[in-house]
Amino acid sequence: DQQVKQNSPSLSVQEGRISILNCDYTNSMFDYFLWYKKYPAEGPTFLISISSIKDKNEDGRFTVFLNKSAKHLSLHIVPSQPGDSAVYFCAAQGTNYGGSQGNLIFGKGTKLSVKP
Amino acid sequence: DTEVTQTPKHLVMGMTNKKSLKCEQHMGHRAMYWYKQKAKKPPELMFVYSYEKLSINESVPSRFSPECPNSSLLNLHLHALQPEDSALYLCASSPWGNQPQHFGDGTRLSIL
Repeated sequence: DQQVKQNSPSLSVQEGRISILNCDYTNSMFDYFLWYKKYPAEGPTFLISISSIKDKNEDGRFTVFLNKSAKHLSLHIVPSQPGDSAVYFCAAQGTNYGGSQGNLIFGKGTKLSVKP
Repeated sequence: DTEVTQTPKHLVMGMTNKKSLKCEQHMGHRAMYWYKQKAKKPPELMFVYSYEKLSINESVPSRFSPECPNSSLLNLHLHALQPEDSALYLCASSPWGNQPQHFGDGTRLSIL
């Protein structure tokens, strides 16, 4: 039973354009959301996070939007660069989720390809 | 360069062997984690240590035994593993609370 869903296994975007990666969650106890990027043979690298008290967080080319009523978040990368090509994981955590603070639940990932 | 260091990077062992995975961080984080990741799957949490005490054990078989000797080190002792335990084992650390977890590059484990 997936609590964090990334329904697009892959996404291809032209260099310079916007990349939009989507993520849905089912558990209303989640209150902290993160995006990680993963290259082959490396561990996940933290990109950006957002708390449930906000609906937007921006860091350079990366912006995360949170729609709590829809239980949906998205990561916007603009402009996209070839070096952004990687697998992107959405993850969620609940401070009071079953007493499991620190239990990060990951989606299955979306493979982004940015073409020159 | 990752600030969480895992050794070894690769490990091949037989089902009767005993080995240990090591993880080290010097960011002053007080929470440390072990995850298991199978091919084309997301990481799955195994253990959480908070202030050197085990706070979460996600129903992991006893052939995996974690140890946190101090706030900078986390070990995972392996004994009598099965072929299905072959996976990438990731260590992470974070400050406690709603803070990002920072991952090492993992140990690629193969059980013969």
